[in-house]
Amino acid sequence: GENVEQHPSTLSVQEGDSAVIKCTYSDSASNYFPWYKQELGKGPQLIIDIRSNVGEKKDQRIAVTLNKTAKHFSLHITETQPEDSAVYFCAASMVTGNQFYFGTGTSLTVIP
Amino acid sequence: DGGITQSPKYLFRKEGQNVTLSCEQNLNHDAMYWYRQDPGQGLRLIYYSQIVNDFQKGDIAEGYSVSREKKESFPLTVTSAQKNPTAFYLCASSTTGVSPLHFGNGTRLTVT
Repeated sequence: GENVEQHPSTLSVQEGDSAVIKCTYSDSASNYFPWYKQELGKGPQLIIDIRSNVGEKKDQRIAVTLNKTAKHFSLHITETQPEDSAVYFCAASMVTGNQFYFGTGTSLTVIP
Repeated sequence: DGGITQSPKYLFRKEGQNVTLSCEQNLNHDAMYWYRQDPGQGLRLIYYSQIVNDFQKGDIAEGYSVSREKKESFPLTVTSAQKNPTAFYLCASSTTGVSPLHFGNGTRLTVT
């Protein structure tokens, strides 16, 4: 089955700096890669996603890049703010089976 | 507002008792999922259902059971056979094809 690895597990940045979280996947059949943000005591919320036919996608301060050859994808948050502090999860999915495989999460702390 | 409702938010049970977690969605999604979340382990799939009256085991189905009698409802029963049931349980739903998961806000189950 698919195996998704995520690094780092914790990340602290100064407010205004950039944060980068990286994930790798093992199954070349995976073709959809969402990123989720989870605040304390709540369920994960989708923040951005990318499909395998696209190399990069941006939404305001958040961007995701995908390298299909190397089987890795990354989340980039620019101009970080304290409200960006949360746990972030990457995931990989294939159309067939409709299953999602999650990384182990990155706890991001933005220091004011 | 469309969304996924999990209840209760906190649940306490004695060891040896079965307990049922509720999940209801009004998004008209075909697929529904149950995940278990433990610190440092990401989200692990317990069961999923792509249509009414059909469901499949995920990676950690032992000690759990589900039913899908209605499209909008996917209750999870944690049985006494589950050896380590204390965890945060997340329900999710999605449409078919390449689409993201929508999560509820979870139920924290504590078994003593």
